[in-house]
Amino acid sequence: ETGVTQTPRHLVMGMTNKKSLKCEQHLGHNAMYWYKQSAKKPLELMFVYNFKEQTENNSVPSRFSPECPNSSHLFLHLHTLQPEDSALYLCASSQDLAGESTDTQYFGPGTRLTVL
Amino acid sequence: QKEVEQNSGPLSVPEGAIASLNCTYSDRGSQSFFWYRQYSGKSPELIMSIYSNGDKEDGRFTAQLNKASQYVSLLIRDSQPSDSATYLCALDRGSTLGRLYFGRGTQLTVWP
Repeated sequence: ETGVTQTPRHLVMGMTNKKSLKCEQHLGHNAMYWYKQSAKKPLELMFVYNFKEQTENNSVPSRFSPECPNSSHLFLHLHTLQPEDSALYLCASSQDLAGESTDTQYFGPGTRLTVL
Repeated sequence: QKEVEQNSGPLSVPEGAIASLNCTYSDRGSQSFFWYRQYSGKSPELIMSIYSNGDKEDGRFTAQLNKASQYVSLLIRDSQPSDSATYLCALDRGSTLGRLYFGRGTQLTVWP
């Protein structure tokens, strides 16, 4: 449980607020991910960072803005969200994106976001 | 066509039985396959990973992969009530490393 941490664990915000989600991994990994999990839907990949560089943006609206200052930290900045953005936001990390196959991804506990 | 298909369940088995969870996928280029367990209100936790055809065993869990049939399964032997959770099948498509595709998950209930 302590390999990947996320704060805050719960967040309630209005549509005009600006907030940030934080993720930190203590596993020595070089790849980090943001996922969104909504009720009754599969986990959706949002962003991928490898060695601090963004390698994937899965057509995410610009009201979600990721930041990866180093391989251990990942942020998701939130601005003018919609009620349909309410979901569980999960951070994950893996060794890196080298090699011939995908490494195992380890998830943090998630931030339960409610947009009013 | 969904990339990853799972029977949403719920699957209900008695304690001590074998629970069989199935997953099919559409892209033959998929190379890495993962089973995650997710308790209600918690984050996904890795159970098994499998990369080659055949069986892979870890304790009470066995993952089976058949790339020709595009099928991956998870067997849980001697099921316990603590195994009650949603099981997520995930895979990559081989084209973009790090991009996992998840199924909707199968809800498993093990009753005493």
